[in-house]
Amino acid sequence: GAVVSQHPSWVICKSGTSVKIECRSLDFQATTMFWYRQFPKQSLMLMATSNEGSKATYEQGVEKDKFLINHASLTLSTLTVTSAHPEDSSFYICSARRGSTQETQYFGPGTRLLVL
Amino acid sequence: AQKVTQAQTEISVVEKEDVTLDCVYETRDTTYYLFWYKQPPSGELVFLIRRNSFDEQNEISGRYSWNFQKSTSSFNFTITASQVVDSAVYFCALSPSGAGSYQLTFGKGTKLSVIP
Repeated sequence: GAVVSQHPSWVICKSGTSVKIECRSLDFQATTMFWYRQFPKQSLMLMATSNEGSKATYEQGVEKDKFLINHASLTLSTLTVTSAHPEDSSFYICSARRGSTQETQYFGPGTRLLVL
Repeated sequence: AQKVTQAQTEISVVEKEDVTLDCVYETRDTTYYLFWYKQPPSGELVFLIRRNSFDEQNEISGRYSWNFQKSTSSFNFTITASQVVDSAVYFCALSPSGAGSYQLTFGKGTKLSVIP
């Protein structure tokens, strides 16, 4: 199988605080992980592509200083929402690509962030 | 630029009916991959199928079948004898093939409601 976990699944925080979301590939090594954001009743929007051991590549319009991504190992990537504001409230989903030739992305269960 | 269009925003069917979800794509790549993912109310995206642009054979997996027609740039998904558990949002997605090019472009999704 190809299992991807995310933690936490739910987070509620006060405006101005930082929130860290972890994405782990449990039974495979993920050379590349992706972070998506999904607003209610909308599609997934790619935020950034994260390769192990290198800096993440951010999509246009995504603030790299706002959304810090670290991919320190082949099984773990983290997304930190810094100084969160209510407009950052969303559903954040990570995915992982197995190996260097596997084209399929396997998705984590997502993290619902609510900033008050 | 790549684009995926799922023209059906919402579909409702009565249990045991067949239903087809449409997907039309645009790409300038000569080789690419097409995907279908299911997103139940829990939020996690479940991988259903990946299809290489080289392979135009239709595929059947249980009650699910996929019709890939390169001539019309379509990759439609049919559920036969629908069940309540099929209720979810279904996303069609496109990815270029080739080393390092695994970013997914998602359609806006089709919400399927199966009524008992």
